[in-house]
Amino acid sequence: GQSLEQPSEVTAVEGAIVQINCTYQTSGFYGLSWYQQHDGGAPTFLSYNALDGLEETGRFSSFLSRSDSYGYLLLQELQMKDSASYFCAGNYGGSQGNLIFGKGTKLSVKP
Amino acid sequence: DTGVSQDPRHKITKRGQNVTFRCDPISEHNRLYWYRQTLGQGPEFLTYFQNEAQLEKSRLLSDRFSAERPKGSFSTLEIQRTEQGDSAMYLCASSGTSGRARETQYFGPGTRLLVL
Repeated sequence: GQSLEQPSEVTAVEGAIVQINCTYQTSGFYGLSWYQQHDGGAPTFLSYNALDGLEETGRFSSFLSRSDSYGYLLLQELQMKDSASYFCAGNYGGSQGNLIFGKGTKLSVKP
Repeated sequence: DTGVSQDPRHKITKRGQNVTFRCDPISEHNRLYWYRQTLGQGPEFLTYFQNEAQLEKSRLLSDRFSAERPKGSFSTLEIQRTEQGDSAMYLCASSGTSGRARETQYFGPGTRLLVL
């Protein structure tokens, strides 16, 4: 079946830049989403890439390379409030849109 | 617009009992999704509706689980004869149907179920 792999934990300091990688299985793949989830909270949409390249939204950017079956989320100018879990999610349902989530990367931002 | 809401937020039940959860999506959203999330894992897709039609169910979804969206607005998820392995956070999400709106799912706060 479809699965997505991402690192389980990442630690960085305030003001730094961090990249969270995600590799995915290509069969049936339509696009890659990223979600943020704070402890005890609901997942919140960050970005979606259907085409190769970089999508920028404020301090967050997301990249997709279909030829490498790989994407990443780039967080710049890290703030303490960015400490959360970040999930990549593959759209394998096409127009249906149901998502297959990775296990998540727990980001800890230190002062 | 108050976002996606779910009720109850917490549920404790004894093994073998039935439970029902409710989700109210964002009002203009046609699509509604149910996911389950356990500690340290990502949300796992359960089922999906477009308007009142249930278009897909995960193969992982046991026959004890049933979901409805009778009028294309709110949805209910029922678990019959609960088992301890059903303990999890049950998340509901909604989205639009075309383009960027389809790719952006808005999640509710979830219902945390504990089966004793």
